[in-house]
Amino acid sequence: DSGVTQTPKHLITATGQRVTLRCSPRSGDLSVYWYQQSLDQGLQFLIQYYNGEERAKGNILERFSAQQFPDLHSELNLSSLELGDSALYFCASSTSRTGTGGDEQYFGPGTRLTVT
Amino acid sequence: GENVEQHPSTLSVQEGDSAVIKCTYSDSASNYFPWYKQELGKRPQLIIDIRSNVGEKKDQRIAVTLNKTAKHFSLHITETQPEDSAVYFCAATPGGTALIFGKGTTLSVSS
Repeated sequence: DSGVTQTPKHLITATGQRVTLRCSPRSGDLSVYWYQQSLDQGLQFLIQYYNGEERAKGNILERFSAQQFPDLHSELNLSSLELGDSALYFCASSTSRTGTGGDEQYFGPGTRLTVT
Repeated sequence: GENVEQHPSTLSVQEGDSAVIKCTYSDSASNYFPWYKQELGKRPQLIIDIRSNVGEKKDQRIAVTLNKTAKHFSLHITETQPEDSAVYFCAATPGGTALIFGKGTTLSVSS
């Protein structure tokens, strides 16, 4: 157990819908990262938040957005869902004290999203 | 941006043999190189990492080497066991933030 929690574990929804994935980082970790894992694209970085502020952006679609709340939990919002959005979504938290990375990242158990 | 190439994509060894997985990266600014092990349907687990000021690091049966000049790093697993069977990912951190992953290596250890 990494100490990072994610809910829900599984999510099945229809095309065009909107979903919210939730992540709670390890106690004391200020950085949260979101990754998408699909069979054809592998593990891809989406976005990073550090202490409530967006710190880095990767291959995140405009239909996707995220935020980090004062209690440091984070939510990833996916809207206008398409079949191709079906994937495992992982959240990771980092020990970084500055948000500039180069520190260990610990992954949560993931949310499996299926879009039908 | 950073690009991480990982080889081989699949690797089959006999129990007790050694396994080597190699990665190359493109961004000379990358300074942190972790390796993750992922079992089917589970989260990636950090197994070892190395920073750019170190050439080699060892933890029991696993070791990682880094050649900054050639921009490549490798994972070495000795005395492989069936429970080592999993997908292994290398990663690099350009700009020191997000992890850029290789495509993964599926390691199969047969007894």
